[in-house]
Formats: sequence, C-alpha cells, structure tokens
Amino acid sequence: QITLKESGPTLVKPTQTLTLTCTFSGFSLSTSGVGVGWIRQPPGKALEWLALIYWSDDERYSPSLKSRLSITKDTSKNQVVLTMTNMDPVDTATYYCARVVAARGDAFDIWGQGTMVTVSS
Amino acid sequence: SYELTQPPSVSVSPGQTARITCYGDALSKQYAYWYQQKPGQAPVLVIYKDSERPSGIPERFSGSSSGTTVTLTISGVQAEDEADYYCQSTDSSGTYVFGTGTKVTVL
Repeated sequence: QITLKESGPTLVKPTQTLTLTCTFSGFSLSTSGVGVGWIRQPPGKALEWLALIYWSDDERYSPSLKSRLSITKDTSKNQVVLTMTNMDPVDTATYYCARVVAARGDAFDIWGQGTMVTVSS
Repeated sequence: SYELTQPPSVSVSPGQTARITCYGDALSKQYAYWYQQKPGQAPVLVIYKDSERPSGIPERFSGSSSGTTVTLTISGVQAEDEADYYCQSTDSSGTYVFGTGTKVTVL
C-alpha cells in the first residue's frame, strides 16, 4: 500500500520560514522515474503546484515562488522536505505532497491527506 | 506564466453527460491529467496521459484531446460525481501547472 503523509506546523508567523515534511511508504525515491511533489490550495481556491524532486535529484520549482522554495529528499528515511521562506498570510493553505511515476507521465497519482497551514501573527 | 483555463462550473442532471474543457497553449504538445476533489478531501487522479484511466476509476470517466483543448467527459453522471475537477499539465521546461478548476453540480 502506497501512502504519503504531510507534517509540520499548523501556525506560522509572517516572515517566518515554513518547513514541511512528507513521509511516504510503499515506494522508494531511489527508483528510476519516481518523484515527490508539493501542491497547495488556499481555502476555497484552486490547486497550485509548488515544487518537485525526482529520484535523480533533479529539482523543479514554480517560477513564481522559486526564490522562496527549497526541496530536499532523504531516501533512507523515505522523506521529502519543503521549506518556504518569508511566509505571508496569503500563503495560508492546505499543503499536499504527492507521488509522480514515469509510467503515468507527469501525473500526481497518489496524494497525502494534506496539512493546513495558517500564517498569522 | 503558463495557464490552463477551465469553465468555473458545469451543471448536469443525473444520467446525463458532463463535459469539462481545459485550454492551454502547450496542450497540443504535452499530456493532460485530470483530478477529482470532493469537499475536505485530497484530489484523486481520474485520467492520465490525456485519456488513460487508473485502476479503480469508473469507466464513465474518459478523456480526450484536440489541439490546445482537452476534455474530461463523465457519461451517465451520478450524484457521487459532484465535485471539483482540475486539469494539470506541464510546459516545455518541465514546470507543472494546474487548471483553474471546474465545479460540477449534479441537479
């Protein structure tokens, strides 16, 4: 069974740095063609892709947020970590991590349950 | 930046066919993917590579592509299909993008 689960703070203050961890099971990020990405969704709004890291260490970032994002992986722990600097109230959203596999192209085929992050002083 | 445009809403009676479009300049060259999201839940992949259906997704969900527009079709709509639907693709540089989302209402 493949699962992903997001963890991190539920509340951060403006200007602080957010660190989220995606812990997954049932697959390996050292397998060719596999990636894990982050997607967020502000309340009542659309999905927004943030970042993705592949088995090869190739990193991809949303052009509009690239300067604030960093994604890393720890294959031994089955974890992917996203950091976002200089948080603002507009960053309040549910943050999801999801898997990508080459067999399904660029699709996020399995998603975590999401974690709600509120940015407020 | 690259954008994918969807109609905000689609309404359909039970048993009828719902069609949701997604427009993007690069869709003639890149695959499209579709997700269903019900309130309070994570998105679920319903179509990948334009028209492929993951295991466990009902056959009433199908996808098609024509030029810069892709379409998700739900045939014989059921009450449980009421949800938000998002298309997704990538651009030539490997940047991922989601569509604006479509709310499907079953009358």
